[in-house]
Amino acid sequence: SQTIHQWPATLVQPVGSPLSLECTVEGTSNPNLYWYRQAAGRGLQLLFYSVGIGQISSEVPQNLSASRPQDRQFILSSKKLLLSDSGFYLCAWSEVSPNSPLHFGNGTRLTVT
Amino acid sequence: QQPVQSPQAVILREGEDAVINCSSSKALYSVHWYRQKHGEAPVFLMILLKGGEQKGHEKISASFNEKKQQSSLYLTASQLSYSGTYFCGTEKWSNQFYFGTGTSLTVIP
Repeated sequence: SQTIHQWPATLVQPVGSPLSLECTVEGTSNPNLYWYRQAAGRGLQLLFYSVGIGQISSEVPQNLSASRPQDRQFILSSKKLLLSDSGFYLCAWSEVSPNSPLHFGNGTRLTVT
Repeated sequence: QQPVQSPQAVILREGEDAVINCSSSKALYSVHWYRQKHGEAPVFLMILLKGGEQKGHEKISASFNEKKQQSSLYLTASQLSYSGTYFCGTEKWSNQFYFGTGTSLTVIP
């Protein structure tokens, strides 16, 4: 069966510090991968999605970036965090076939101080 | 671009019914429904495809009207475990998946 791992679970970082969140998927090949952000009490904002190694599409211009160095690895990064980057970050995967559901990792709660 | 859900929040007593609506200004080809418990990741409930097919999941069912670009989620005889935030979601086109604004559902004894 497929599993998705996301870490760390919680993170407190000062403004201006770098960020690296990692997500890996097991039990499937060539999944679609997604990063979402959820501000407190708000909806799910699509940040990045990827259909293959090295193929990243960005939805929102910001100081975040994503990379997919391996088929089942998705990394969210920032060189300098802003206060507004605080939130709940969720990685998700889906099968390539249309109308496949999204499966989420447990999320990373990031607080920028 | 983001589907709009209504109501934003609803409080129910156990055993009561609720309807959550999801509408889009753009054409919908399929609609997903997810439930998110507080502090947890969203969990997939069901998907509805073009054709108006109604799907069911326990006492939770949904309908999809692609002409009206709307979907509705029906929760009957609600249980405490139904509490959470419900999101509809749709693909803009393949691989770009957007969620609705969310509906907070609280079931009280």
